Amino acid sequence: DGGITQSPKYLFRKEGQNVTLSCEQNLNHDAMYWYRQDPGQGLRLIYYSQIVNDFQKGDIAEGYSVSREKKESFPLTVTSAQKNPTAFYLCASSRQQGDEQYFGPGTRLTVT
Amino acid sequence: GQQVMQIPQYQHVQEGEDFTTYCNSSTTLSNIQWYKQRPGGHPVFLIQLVKSGEVKKQKRLTFQFGEAKKNSSLHITATQTTDVGTYFCAVEYGSGNTGKLIFGQGTTLQVKP
Repeated sequence: DGGITQSPKYLFRKEGQNVTLSCEQNLNHDAMYWYRQDPGQGLRLIYYSQIVNDFQKGDIAEGYSVSREKKESFPLTVTSAQKNPTAFYLCASSRQQGDEQYFGPGTRLTVT
Repeated sequence: GQQVMQIPQYQHVQEGEDFTTYCNSSTTLSNIQWYKQRPGGHPVFLIQLVKSGEVKKQKRLTFQFGEAKKNSSLHITATQTTDVGTYFCAVEYGSGNTGKLIFGQGTTLQVKP
């Protein structure tokens, strides 16, 4: 929605494997964000990027990594070090830091 | 880390009744945003409040920012089944423009037709 795409919608992986979730936006937004949502809970910030080639850790960055090589792309890698990776992952972007955020449709990751 | 408390966690109302969710912080907020997430969907931005005591309306929705900028409320008048979903507040602390929003746990609204 709003020019942000996430793929795939559902993703299944075996424990011990790294997996990369994609996030692309065509809104020309500078800032991008990754959140994790667990059932019945709010959104927790994993990583965010305010500009290309720069990103900061959020509140729960352990076991995750990101890159921001292009303005429109902000992929998230869930590594095998993440102890409880099964969750709903949401990517968002905003024109600038502090502005309203536009969310993608999310990727539901299941690790067994 | 800093947290924001949102209450209630769940609310069931009869269609036509009013609904209010509250967002509370122990420290002063730079600004607050409100989002709505429909079941199975993703959060959608509703509004941003910046000024102390600010009140904004969107049709049946009324948003308020406390005078001390430590709390906020979202009030829905005469709920409809289309209002079903989870409402989140998201806050920014300090002087703002940190790029980091902290989300409340959300209030899930169920509306009985």
